[in-house]
Amino acid sequence: DSGVTQTPKHLITATGQRVTLRCSPRSGDLSVYWYQQSLDQGLQFLIQYYNGEERAKGNILERFSAQQFPDLHSELNLSSLELGDSALYFCASSTRAGRTDTQYFGPGTRLTVL
Amino acid sequence: QKEVEQDPGPLSVPEGAIVSLNCTYSNSAFQYFMWYRQYSRKGPELLMYTYSSGNKEDGRFTAQVDKSSKYISLFIRDSQPSDSATYLCAILANAGGTSYGKLTFGQGTILTVHP
Repeated sequence: DSGVTQTPKHLITATGQRVTLRCSPRSGDLSVYWYQQSLDQGLQFLIQYYNGEERAKGNILERFSAQQFPDLHSELNLSSLELGDSALYFCASSTRAGRTDTQYFGPGTRLTVL
Repeated sequence: QKEVEQDPGPLSVPEGAIVSLNCTYSNSAFQYFMWYRQYSRKGPELLMYTYSSGNKEDGRFTAQVDKSSKYISLFIRDSQPSDSATYLCAILANAGGTSYGKLTFGQGTILTVHP
């Protein structure tokens, strides 16, 4: 158990809908990262927050947004969902935002868009 | 061309075999190299991390980096059925700005070690 928690574990929704994925980092960790894992694209970095501020950005779609709250938990919002958004979404956390800080991954949220 | 290429396998070996997993990368800015292990229905967990060319050993695992060839490897000695998992290489660029915390992953190699 990495200490990173994600809810919900599974999410099934329809195209066009909006969902929110939640992540609680390990106690004391200030950085949160979001990743998408699909069969065709593999594990892809979406976005990083450090102590409430956006720190790094990957290939995150405009329909997706994230934020980190004062209590350091983070939410990933996915809107206007498409079939291709079906994937595993992982959250990871690290102590700081340094390049060499180990990222600890949560168990993931499996999103199915029908 | 993907920034990090990894043979997805699958790779099936008998217990006790030496396993070799490999990745190649194209971006010279990549400076930090990691191997993650992902069991089915779990999140990836960090196995090994290195930033210099050469070998780094941790128990049955050895990570090897050759920056001149842009090639990284993970060797598993005396493989066990519990090593059956997907192994992902991950690389971090030595760059700031919007790429600061961005890990770029390989596709992952599915490994099965059978008794």
